[in-house]
Amino acid sequence: GAGVSQSPRYKVAKRGQDVALRCDPISGHVSLFWYQQALGQGPEFLTYFQNEAQLDKSGLPSDRFFAERPEGSVSTLKIQRTQQEDSAVYLCASSPSGRAGETQYFGPGTRLLVL
Amino acid sequence: DQQVKQNSPSLSVQEGRISILNCDYTNSMFDYFLWYKKYPAEGPTFLISISSIKDKNEDGRFTVFLNKSAKHLSLHIVPSQPGDSAVYFCAAMKYGNKLVFGAGTILRVKS
Repeated sequence: GAGVSQSPRYKVAKRGQDVALRCDPISGHVSLFWYQQALGQGPEFLTYFQNEAQLDKSGLPSDRFFAERPEGSVSTLKIQRTQQEDSAVYLCASSPSGRAGETQYFGPGTRLLVL
Repeated sequence: DQQVKQNSPSLSVQEGRISILNCDYTNSMFDYFLWYKKYPAEGPTFLISISSIKDKNEDGRFTVFLNKSAKHLSLHIVPSQPGDSAVYFCAAMKYGNKLVFGAGTILRVKS
C-alpha cells in the first residue's frame, strides 16, 4: 500500500515568510509524528498526534511553529515568519496505533531552505 | 544533552564481511531501541528493533545486541552487501513513543 507522503518535497522561502508543510500518513494510522533534521544530525522530535489530539508538542522550538491534524488524518506543520535557522528537512512519520514500541514509518521529508 | 550517541561518523567495510555499528545511550528509562537506514533524499526506513527486556534480536542478515548495564547497543550486518551502503540511525523510545535519534553513521560497503 501507499506509504507516508509529504508535500512539497522542496521549499525555498524568504526570511519572514510563512510556510505550510503537509503530511499524508499511511491510511488508518492513528499516530502521527513530526521531526526536524538539521544537516549532519539525526531527526529531532517536534510534536505528536493521536488521531486529532496533539498529545505532545514539547519539541516545537518556538511559538512560530504550529501543527494541526483536524480530522485525524492529514497533518500540516506551519512555520510563521521563517528564520534561517529553520532550514532543515522536516520528516513526518505515522504508526498504526501508538502502542509502546511500535514502529514509526517515515515519509521522504520536506527540505526547507530559508534565504 | 545528547541522550543517544553514535560515535563513529563513518564506517567502511568490504563486501561479504561483517559491519558493526555502535550506539550508546544515557537514559536508563528508554525501553525500546530501533535502527533505521536512510538513503539520500528518502526518509528513514525501519530495519530492526529490540525491547529493553531482551539482549538480542535477529532478522535475516541483521542482528541487534543490547547491553543494558553498559547502555550500549550494536547492529551487526552479515554478510554486508553494496546495497547496504547508507546512513544508519540508532533511535531510542520511552513512554509517549517519541524517538530520540543519534547523529547517524555512514556505512560504505565496497565491492
